[in-house]
Amino acid sequence: GAVVSQHPSRVICKSGTSVKIECRSLDFQATTMFWYRQFPKKSLMLMATSNEGSKATYEQGVEKDKFLINHASLTLSTLTVTSAHPEDSSFYICSARNYYGYTFGSGTRLTVV
Amino acid sequence: EDQVTQSPEALRLQEGESSSLNCSYTVSGLRGLFWYRQDPGKGPEFLFTLYSAGEEKEKERLKATLTKKESFLHITAPKPEDSATYLCAVQPRMTTDSWGKLQFGAGTQVVVTP
Repeated sequence: GAVVSQHPSRVICKSGTSVKIECRSLDFQATTMFWYRQFPKKSLMLMATSNEGSKATYEQGVEKDKFLINHASLTLSTLTVTSAHPEDSSFYICSARNYYGYTFGSGTRLTVV
Repeated sequence: EDQVTQSPEALRLQEGESSSLNCSYTVSGLRGLFWYRQDPGKGPEFLFTLYSAGEEKEKERLKATLTKKESFLHITAPKPEDSATYLCAVQPRMTTDSWGKLQFGAGTQVVVTP
């Protein structure tokens, strides 16, 4: 139980375009989801906390207009990287809180060319 | 400010050579301490949650322990498939500002050679 599905696993996009990443809780309802960014050989950096039906809470230094988060239902949160640039290339991971703790998605490798 | 420090940064073990990973933390009230395993290019995989000092949990060759200031992850007789990065994270007691978010350490990269 407590499975989180994240798609796509890899995406390559051109500079200036937008990319959407989906995070779904498959067998539980997630009122709160978290979005992380991970640089090579570094730990997870929390970008924002997403709450169903309300605005996301962004961590200090994270541009909310660049990283749009929508949590429209109890099983789906999306992260849209708008006007992507090469410096946005990274590994993005979502997480959902549930009764057992925190379950993570498999991550999305974003490459902006 | 909440802080999580893991040591060592990297650990190279021979198959069968037991060792321990350390996670030191300072947090304003601990709700839970979590251990995760992360393979390259994958999301973290849950291993253990510890809630109070003195608590221990085991799973196959792994055993996690908790004190008021640190947690240890013991790897007994490791195998090559135990090679991964092990992440420690703390959850402070929830306040209106924390939303239950986790504070992660930098991780320990473990390589087990045959």
